[in-house]
Amino acid sequence: EAQVTQNPRYLITVTGKKLTVTCSQNMNHEYMSWYRQDPGLGLRQIYYSMNVEVTDKGDVPEGYKVSRKEKRNFPLILESPSPNQTSLYFCASTTRRFDTGELFFGEGSRLTVL
Amino acid sequence: AQSVTQLGSHVSVSEGALVLLRCNYSSSVPPYLFWYVQYPNQGLQLLLKYTSAATLVKGINGFEAEFKKSETSFHLTKPSAHMSDAAEYFCAVSRSSNTGKLIFGQGTTLQVKP
Repeated sequence: EAQVTQNPRYLITVTGKKLTVTCSQNMNHEYMSWYRQDPGLGLRQIYYSMNVEVTDKGDVPEGYKVSRKEKRNFPLILESPSPNQTSLYFCASTTRRFDTGELFFGEGSRLTVL
Repeated sequence: AQSVTQLGSHVSVSEGALVLLRCNYSSSVPPYLFWYVQYPNQGLQLLLKYTSAATLVKGINGFEAEFKKSETSFHLTKPSAHMSDAAEYFCAVSRSSNTGKLIFGQGTTLQVKP
């Protein structure tokens, strides 16, 4: 089954404790992206990757890191989480082009930073 | 810079009534436009997309949207609402097919009353 898998789905952590949210897709997609969803703000893009070893900032990259060492994986790293990073996070993937591909989303990871 | 504005954070209709969700975009170049739907506790899924072909785009579940360049709009409609249409809807814009940036609107929650 084609899917984007995120882990963990739910996490409560404390300020400053490094964490990683994993994202894996099994569709051989070149493009992957991370979004955060906050009430009233919609989805905001954090980082995206057009291919292996190619990453770029979205609109809200501060406080986050990513890496793309393999095509299927695109982890999101919070080196020193802060309460303003409490949010619902989504990973998504597609073929390289938006006009021919559909963006597939994971089920989301709800993060609370105390 | 690109942006998307969805008019109305909440829309309520009766079952069987017309659904109209509004989306206006700002883009300096011809855009790629999308509507996504998010059901409770799930990721987003693509409803339909405009990629410079026909201006009237038909999507899944009976939804359609019309691209109007003169009005910079891409409103989503459905002739007759079903209870199962209750969800959050997001309009999104991309500048080109090969860019990694996809900008989402704030979202509109559709409530369907029996």
